[in-house]
Amino acid sequence: DAGVIQSPRHEVTEMGQEVTLRCKPISGHDYLFWYRQTMMRGLELLIYFNNNVPIDDSGMPEDRFSAKMPNASFSTLKIQPSEPRDSAVYFCASSGAGGEDYNEQFFGPGTRLTVL
Amino acid sequence: QKEVEQNSGPLSVPEGAIASLNCTYSDRGSQSFFWYRQYSGKSPELIMFIYSNGDKEDGRFTAQLNKASQYVSLLIRDSQPSDSATYLCAVRDTGRRALTFGSGTRLQVQP
Repeated sequence: DAGVIQSPRHEVTEMGQEVTLRCKPISGHDYLFWYRQTMMRGLELLIYFNNNVPIDDSGMPEDRFSAKMPNASFSTLKIQPSEPRDSAVYFCASSGAGGEDYNEQFFGPGTRLTVL
Repeated sequence: QKEVEQNSGPLSVPEGAIASLNCTYSDRGSQSFFWYRQYSGKSPELIMFIYSNGDKEDGRFTAQLNKASQYVSLLIRDSQPSDSATYLCAVRDTGRRALTFGSGTRLQVQP
């Protein structure tokens, strides 16, 4: 398996623009997580899904952020409108429901977002 | 607010020494504990997890958990320059799959 795939790897946009980040989890994994990492706040959970259903979105900072998982192999994180304080590395991770994959979250390479 | 605390470092150790990384957590409901390694510009990768009090060893790595003291540590024996990275401590509560991460400790192994 290719691992968790994220796109784009880098995104530079201007304040006020819409940004869409994409993630393809590892095939067969039931859980998908979106994290954000900044120097100030570290790595923090935004939202996670189980079997395509959002379970916990308490980390989504505000209404400008939305996430969807239309099927088991694809998720998006959208920011509209974007602000400079949204600049961060956004990681997608996935994990399995049982067996050896239960305890490990496999992280994608991340999307580095810069909002000017 | 659940908190996971780590010393940001950098922790500098000579090659071949034992590196000791520490982490405390605030929520007694936390059940599973994880150590991730993150190289600069890369994504976190799991080193070990532990959920029972005591020690768990995997090669050069030993995780130690003391739930009464709400303390978890990672020992790296025979440290190598390739171990230089940021080490993230994470906790997971019962019934919840998401992790709460500490801010990480930067380890530098000097050749």
